[in-house]
Amino acid sequence: GAGVSQSPRYKVAKRGQDVALRCDPISGHVSLFWYQQALGQGPEFLTYFQNEAQLDKSGLPSDRFFAERPEGSVSTLKIQRTQQEDSAVYLCASRPGGATNEKLFFGSGTQLSVL
Amino acid sequence: ELKVEQNPLFLSMQEGKNYTIYCNYSTTSDRLYWYRQDPGKSLESLFVLLSNGAVKQEGRLMASLDTKARLSTLHITAAVHDLSATYFCAVELDSNYQLIWGAGTKLIIKP
Repeated sequence: GAGVSQSPRYKVAKRGQDVALRCDPISGHVSLFWYQQALGQGPEFLTYFQNEAQLDKSGLPSDRFFAERPEGSVSTLKIQRTQQEDSAVYLCASRPGGATNEKLFFGSGTQLSVL
Repeated sequence: ELKVEQNPLFLSMQEGKNYTIYCNYSTTSDRLYWYRQDPGKSLESLFVLLSNGAVKQEGRLMASLDTKARLSTLHITAAVHDLSATYFCAVELDSNYQLIWGAGTKLIIKP
């Protein structure tokens, strides 16, 4: 695709509900990242995939958070039993290779509000 | 723990003026990125700085990196209203590919 696509754009969940956030990276991009951005803050790293392999999940805040990229393209971030502190914008980013000096291409994010 | 600090966090300025945003970081890295974010929009890559002394310019924006001082600057020349946005710097850890982000500088340029 032309850019990184995320859906839904907005998600309102009741506390305790499970949610799934989708990311379609730029076609052919090897690396995929998930970031969490709280209001008025910079993004914080959640997890990193190289193709289908999840190489780093050290930023996931709890075991309620789970991410997958089974075929090395589309990725899903799942949050179980959502809590109010999970409210944030979840950003997906991709880049062409596995190199560490390439710029990231970001999606528009999913704004999650947990009531 | 790596910290990335931006200064100032908020800046209101008049069109035509020059100003500089500073980004200090607390550990060794020679890869620094600048991004722009408009309200409700995605992050847009501005500059990738990959070595000590790197300087890049695009239009009215110029970014530089001093790895010895652990400092990057984003200089705005003759600001125009369209540059109003939040600007983030992000430092890539030497040991891996994680980006550690500053809190952002919200820039408002008044016509």
